[in-house]
Amino acid sequence: DAGITQSPRHKVTETGTPVTLRCHQTENHRYMYWYRQDPGHGLRLIHYSYGVKDTDKGEVSDGYSVSRSKTEDFLLTLESATSSQTSVYFCAISSREPNTEAFFGQGTRLTVV
Amino acid sequence: SQQGEEDPQALSIQEGENATMNCSYKTSINNLQWYRQNSGRGLVHLILIRSNEREKHSGRLRVTLDTSKKSSSLLITASRAADTASYFCATAPFSGGYNKLIFGAGTRLAVHP
Repeated sequence: DAGITQSPRHKVTETGTPVTLRCHQTENHRYMYWYRQDPGHGLRLIHYSYGVKDTDKGEVSDGYSVSRSKTEDFLLTLESATSSQTSVYFCAISSREPNTEAFFGQGTRLTVV
Repeated sequence: SQQGEEDPQALSIQEGENATMNCSYKTSINNLQWYRQNSGRGLVHLILIRSNEREKHSGRLRVTLDTSKKSSSLLITASRAADTASYFCATAPFSGGYNKLIFGAGTRLAVHP
């Protein structure tokens, strides 16, 4: 497996509380991504980063923010968790070169009650 | 909306049979990739086909790409029970972020011994 670590792997939180998920890579890849996976929807891109402090929105970014202060870390924050954000979250990384694959973490299962 | 749409949503076959999954997409692409996901795990890259390629092979996998129809197919020959997983196509847009993969909803493949 590529050097990607997501933490925590599982989390249960209450509606309205802030939650931060962490993605850590040891591959020195430029691009990092956060996806959410829900039944029937596959993976949907939340936010991505193309460098330190360079981030952009994906297709389902509402309610989420991200930060990348170091190459190796990409944080996803739910400012005020809602039940609709119950999902499995995946971090991915890829190099800056075109026509290269992405490497995925093992996922974080988040339940908002 | 999602870029890729897989068909069928679910596929059940016997060991030794071939499995074919299809993917359609909407916009011009730089490349198309196929990923596999075992239950409860992250995604693993299988194969990448560039927009100027029509067919690619990797072991028991064969991928075709028809850019005029905006479609791709993944063929797994001589399926094994261990091939049971979900398979996703992902497209890399031609412009505005070729490293930003957009995934379809996936095909669930069950291979019975």
